[in-house]
Formats: sequence, structure tokens, C-alpha cells
Amino acid sequence: NAGVTQTPKFQVLKTGQSMTLQCAQDMNHNSMYWYRQDPGMGLRLIYYSASEGTTDKGEVPNGYNVSRLNKREFSLRLESAAPSQTSVYFCASSEEGRGNGYTFGSGTRLTVV
Amino acid sequence: GQQLNQSPQSMFIQEGEDVSMNCTSSSIFNTWLWYKQEPGEGPVLLIALYKAGELTSNGRLTAQFGITRKDSFLNISASIPSDVGIYFCAGRTSNYQLIWGAGTKLIIKP
Repeated sequence: NAGVTQTPKFQVLKTGQSMTLQCAQDMNHNSMYWYRQDPGMGLRLIYYSASEGTTDKGEVPNGYNVSRLNKREFSLRLESAAPSQTSVYFCASSEEGRGNGYTFGSGTRLTVV
Repeated sequence: GQQLNQSPQSMFIQEGEDVSMNCTSSSIFNTWLWYKQEPGEGPVLLIALYKAGELTSNGRLTAQFGITRKDSFLNISASIPSDVGIYFCAGRTSNYQLIWGAGTKLIIKP
């Protein structure tokens, strides 16, 4: 079982470039999430999607957009990357609602120079 | 925003020692979750706690949901090298937000 698959694993962007981080889950979960992880700050929620067709802002949404393409896929887009967006990005999914056990992908390490 | 205080930030211990870490909050949570993250991977759920006072074990790991619903601890007994990693607590609020601690990094001295 693949669980949650994120691509790419690593990416270097120049300031102002755009890119989309891809996430797919094969567990038929309704809810999906995007987090960023920075040293000493734990995980911070960027956006989430409680079900197919819905998305909501999390704690740190500025500079990001998301698309819940279908039940399996939830993408995160940086329209104009900034050095402050250098981070490790994790996608996660859960079976029902939020707060139950999440399954995480292995992360995308993004550096913006 | 809401904050979780997780301590200690890091621990250096000898193999075989017991480990204890905790999270406290000024807010009440309905659920406490404990995760472990290994290098290059996402966090993996270890234990979920759903009721105040609940004490739950998973092998050598034991976690408790504090009576006040504002704290939780995780104990690891007889630590082994594969226990190294970063341990995160997370609390779920009444409006289904998950709030994360900053993590406890566990390092085992050879």
C-alpha cells in the first residue's frame, strides 16, 4: 500500500518562480491536509480539504493555493515563491473529520533562493 | 493562536533508560495524539487518546490524557536505538483543529 505519495521529494526554486506540489492518497480518505514544517516550530497547517470539492485555509495560507482535484489528489501551489517559503512540506490524509489519526507523506523539501 | 508547550526540546539518554516527555496547553483538547518522525519521513501516529484520564499503551510506549484535558505525557520504557527520532504531540480542539507541539528530539548515546 502506497498510503500518501508526495512529489517531488526535493525542489530548488528561484524567488518569483511558481510550482505545484502534488499529493495523492489511496486509502479513500475524505480529508486531506497540507502542512509546512520548520525547525523548532512543529507542523503548521497551510490548507485543508474536509471532503472532495471543499478547501479551507489553515494557520498559514498566505502565498499558497490548493486544489482538491478529486478524492485522491490534493495539490499545493506556490504562485510566486519567496525565501520565507523554504521549508519541508507534508501532505496528510485522514478517514473522517479532523483530529483522527493522520497518515503523512514523506515530505517535499523546498528551497527558495 | 493556540499553543502547545512540549518539553523537553531534546533528550540525550543511554540505551535502556526510560524516557518521559509531555505537552501542556492553556486550552482544553478533546483528543491527544502522539506521533514519531524519523529523518526524511513524515510523522507516524503512535498513540491516540480520546478521554480525560485515559492511559493507553503501545508496546513500550505509554501515554496519558490529563484529567484537566490540558496536558498529556508520553513514556518510553527501556529505550532502544530505533527509538531515536522526533516525537510530536498534537491536540484536537472542539472545532476539529489540530494543534501541534514543537517536538522532542530523542538521541540515544552509544
